[in-house]
Amino acid sequence: NAGVMQNPRHLVRRRGQEARLRCSPMKGHSHVYWYRQLPEEGLKFMVYLQKENIIDESGMPKERFSAEFPKEGPSILRIQQVVRGDSAAYFCASSPPNAYNEQFFGPGTRLTVL
Amino acid sequence: GIQVEQSPPDLILQEGANSTLRCNFSDSVNNLQWFHQNPWGQLINLFYIPSGTKQNGRLSATTVATERYSLLYISSSQTTDSGVYFCAVGENAGNMLTFGGGTRLMVKP
Repeated sequence: NAGVMQNPRHLVRRRGQEARLRCSPMKGHSHVYWYRQLPEEGLKFMVYLQKENIIDESGMPKERFSAEFPKEGPSILRIQQVVRGDSAAYFCASSPPNAYNEQFFGPGTRLTVL
Repeated sequence: GIQVEQSPPDLILQEGANSTLRCNFSDSVNNLQWFHQNPWGQLINLFYIPSGTKQNGRLSATTVATERYSLLYISSSQTTDSGVYFCAVGENAGNMLTFGGGTRLMVKP
């Protein structure tokens, strides 16, 4: 059973470009979470999604950031018009469809904005 | 929101030594997980332990939910144990995890 998959593992963008980060949850998991880890800091929650629904986006910046988890395909975290402060590691986690289950994390995407 | 504090922030051990890492949280939780972030940045699940005691090899963890703390024990430490250990909790009202600031562990040969 493959773990949580994220791609790309490393992404370099210039200021003003768009970044698209992908996450495929573990098989049988229908809940997806995105977290961000700024340099030398802990992880902070961004958004919680189920298939075709955003359940909690209280941690998402109000502008430029969006997330989706379509009926088919991976979850996507999209950052428009990236700025240097967006440079961070973005982790995706997934959990089974019952409440309060253990979350399993992917390897992360390291975004560098030049 | 819930506050999560980990101690100590930094720890240096000689290989073979034992250690205890602590995680305090400020409110009731329905989920508590311990992670090891290795030097390559990957987050490894160590324990899912909202209450009780679990052991896995040289590692064990105990959560006393009524007193709002959890402990991670590392015995006979090895250089491969180096990295950052995070505690993360889930509040009763939601599914998100709130992470502590981590304990940065260095094990010297």
